[in-house]
Amino acid sequence: NAGVTQTPKFRILKIGQSMTLQCTQDMNHNYMYWYRQDPGMGLKLIYYSVGAGITDKGEVPNGYNVSRSTTEDFPLRLELAAPSQTSVYFCASSSKAGGFIYEQYFGPGTRLTVT
Amino acid sequence: GEDVEQSLFLSVREGDSSVINCTYTDSSSTYLYWYKQEPGAGLQLLTYIFSNMDMKQDQRLTVLLNKKDKHLSLRIADTQTGDSAIYFCAENYGQNFVFGPGTRLSVLP
Repeated sequence: NAGVTQTPKFRILKIGQSMTLQCTQDMNHNYMYWYRQDPGMGLKLIYYSVGAGITDKGEVPNGYNVSRSTTEDFPLRLELAAPSQTSVYFCASSSKAGGFIYEQYFGPGTRLTVT
Repeated sequence: GEDVEQSLFLSVREGDSSVINCTYTDSSSTYLYWYKQEPGAGLQLLTYIFSNMDMKQDQRLTVLLNKKDKHLSLRIADTQTGDSAIYFCAENYGQNFVFGPGTRLSVLP
């Protein structure tokens, strides 16, 4: 059981470039999330998905796009990279039981630098 | 919006108890969580408490919840160097989670 995997681990982008951060989970979780973590700050929710084909904006969605064509995969797309998007990005997944979401499982993160 | 606050740093000596505090704003949160993040890693759930509980104990960890003051604390007994990490308090908000900024715990030998 791999849990939540993310690729790449590190990436340096030039301003204006595009890239996709990959996230895959093998726990058959319906819920998936993308967060960014800036130094000294908590996690900020970028986008989330409650199931295949359904996505919704979180707190800081500007500059990002997502898709959820399968239960397992939830890629995050940066179209025109900006220095403000320099951050560590975490993908997470969770399941719901009895009407409550108990735990999020996190990937190891992708450290992105935009210069 | 919802907000979760924590102090940013805490230093303790090995063997002492650590107490990490958190305040939250959403009184309708069903669960409150403590996550641990070690360097270069993602967050890992340490423990959680249901909102109708006052206390939960799990080996060296004790969680106290004061719903009236919207205050949550995590006590780590007999703190070890392996406990050095960032600890995040979180509340669930509908289908999402709101995280505090994290408390960096340093354990001094």
